[in-house]
Amino acid sequence: NAGVTQTPKFQVLKTGQSMTLQCAQDMNHEYMSWYRQDPGMGLRLIHYSVGAGITDQGEVPNGYNVSRSTTEDFPLRLLSAAPSQTSVYFCASSYSSGRARGQFFGPGTRLTVL
Amino acid sequence: AQKVTQAQTEISVVEKEDVTLDCVYETRDTTYYLFWYKQPPSGELVFLIRRNSFDEQNEISGRYSWNFQKSTSSFNFTITASQVVDSAVYFCALSEAFMNSGGYQKVTFGIGTKLQVIP
Repeated sequence: NAGVTQTPKFQVLKTGQSMTLQCAQDMNHEYMSWYRQDPGMGLRLIHYSVGAGITDQGEVPNGYNVSRSTTEDFPLRLLSAAPSQTSVYFCASSYSSGRARGQFFGPGTRLTVL
Repeated sequence: AQKVTQAQTEISVVEKEDVTLDCVYETRDTTYYLFWYKQPPSGELVFLIRRNSFDEQNEISGRYSWNFQKSTSSFNFTITASQVVDSAVYFCALSEAFMNSGGYQKVTFGIGTKLQVIP
């Protein structure tokens, strides 16, 4: 199993540009989520999904869109990048039932918005 | 709204000392999950433990132990005989559970405690 994969690993954008961060998992996990990690802030939930076709907002959803058309993929779209979105982004997945353990995290995407 | 507080932002200990990382949580739900994750300097996030709200048994795994007390809304993590390899940021997290499936809803993380173990 590849686990949770994220692409790209690094990205530099200019203010106003849009882009999609890719996330995929091959463990047939129902639950997937996106976090951003900023110094002194821990991990903050952006959006999450409990299954294909179902998404919901987390703590800091503004400026981001998600969709979940398949169980495997959960892309995160930045609509119009802003310097405040400079961060490290982590995607995670887990089972969405009582048998779930912890979340498996991808390696992260380091995004810089100029 | 749920909240996780890790009041210790940085801790330094000398190798072989014991260290306890504190975690206090707030939730209105009666069914929830608590977690600890480790983020070493390399940056990846590693799952350490999950505890259900209805299971207050303490757990020990090697040099790691966890103390869950609902009465004080705390889920503390102790490393015994710390080693340099324990140097990392440790995150406590909380998820309320769906009524029917018991699965996760929003997962809230604390800001993390940076542990430095000095040789």
